[in-house]
Amino acid sequence: QVQLVESGGGVVQPGRSLRLSCAASGFIFGGYAMHWVRQAPGKGLEWEAVISDVGSMKYYAESVKGRFTISRDNSRNTLYLQMNSLTVEDTAVYYCARDRKVGTSEVIDLWGQGTMVTVTS
Amino acid sequence: DIQMTQSPSSLSASVGDRVTITCRASQDISNFLNWYQQKPGKAPKLLIYGASNLETGVPSRFSGSGSGTDFAFTISSLQPEDIGTYFCQQHDDRLIFTFGPGTKVDIK
Repeated sequence: QVQLVESGGGVVQPGRSLRLSCAASGFIFGGYAMHWVRQAPGKGLEWEAVISDVGSMKYYAESVKGRFTISRDNSRNTLYLQMNSLTVEDTAVYYCARDRKVGTSEVIDLWGQGTMVTVTS
Repeated sequence: DIQMTQSPSSLSASVGDRVTITCRASQDISNFLNWYQQKPGKAPKLLIYGASNLETGVPSRFSGSGSGTDFAFTISSLQPEDIGTYFCQQHDDRLIFTFGPGTKVDIK
């Protein structure tokens, strides 16, 4: 079925790195832009990064620019988020999400189940 | 950067009540405004796109309106299953998204 499944979350110390993966299935992965969105415990949604369908364009939120890198491997139907220099403020559930263009609107129409990242000493 | 605000931050209403949430953008975003519902422990779900278009499969008691900087989201008759947090979201032409802070809805 159509789904996104994140992995790679866990507990990590401040200053360390972590790489998240998102496996897509049930649709033509290479036909969609993809996002990472995070949600700190008890807080709202925070958009982090987007990558175009072929990976040629990438944009980041200011809070992660220079520390996080979004990438994709369309041959493996997989999205990645490399997170470096992690801080306690990066503690959150990280969602992989699919972008869909509807008319002139861009929406997120498919979300993964999320993977928890906890940054603590 | 465009900032999004929502009000109220939370509300409590009775089953059958009409509920309205507002969302304001810090600058004109035309109709590039979407609404999502998030239930506890779950991923968000798209309800409204392009400010006023109902996503396929979403009940017609949900609606949206507005353009420019001021938007509204309405539940015409609140149901118990509508409990959750509602987020507005805007995007620019680079696909950079910004979410509003959310409005938590529960039943009185």
